[in-house]
Amino acid sequence: AQKITQTQPGMFVQEKEAVTLDCTYDTSDPSYGLFWYKQPSSGEMIFLIYQGSYDQQNATEGRYSLNFQKARKSANLVISASQLGDSAMYFCAMREDRGGATNKLIFGTGTLLAVQP
Amino acid sequence: DVKVTQSSRYLVKRTGEKVFLECVQDMDHENMFWYRQDPGLGLRLIYFSYDVKMKEKGDIPEGYSVSREKKERFSLILESASTNQTSMYLCASSLGTAGNTEAFFGQGTRLTVV
Repeated sequence: AQKITQTQPGMFVQEKEAVTLDCTYDTSDPSYGLFWYKQPSSGEMIFLIYQGSYDQQNATEGRYSLNFQKARKSANLVISASQLGDSAMYFCAMREDRGGATNKLIFGTGTLLAVQP
Repeated sequence: DVKVTQSSRYLVKRTGEKVFLECVQDMDHENMFWYRQDPGLGLRLIYFSYDVKMKEKGDIPEGYSVSREKKERFSLILESASTNQTSMYLCASSLGTAGNTEAFFGQGTRLTVV
């Protein structure tokens, strides 16, 4: 069964520093996608970045990068040059791509990031 | 812009009531999802649907049912609300279920059952 684990309930980082948010996953399917979402205190879910299991390179989107280590089944989010506006809850998610219609998207428990000035 | 709209931001219902949470998306997405979000538990999938009248159970379907009569609308039904169903409910939709097809979320419905 697919599973996502985020072991850091909360983290602090100084403004302008980089921070890594951990995510490990479990699946027996060779084809899957990994996602990161940000949820500020206002509550909306904001898509940040996607990594496919067959992608050769780590995904990057601006200050966000995904450190994808397939053998370790980890998909850590790296935020470079943290800003105060990065303070939020961050969720890792996974979808097994089985080629059928029944591919569910599951989430981890989240990491609350606080950026300190 | 994709828009996913949940009918209510806040709801207060009594134990035993039948509760309907409505979700509408405007981008012709095939897939729609219902999650509940609780502190420390993250988002847990209740039900999802990949086509009209098609539905699949997620990880915590007990006490819930869903309806998808039209492609754009996905309803979550609490047949007999209980206090342990007090939670934030999030609806999402996505174009496909493979590749870089991100899910778009509604603003959430905070349901309190008293």
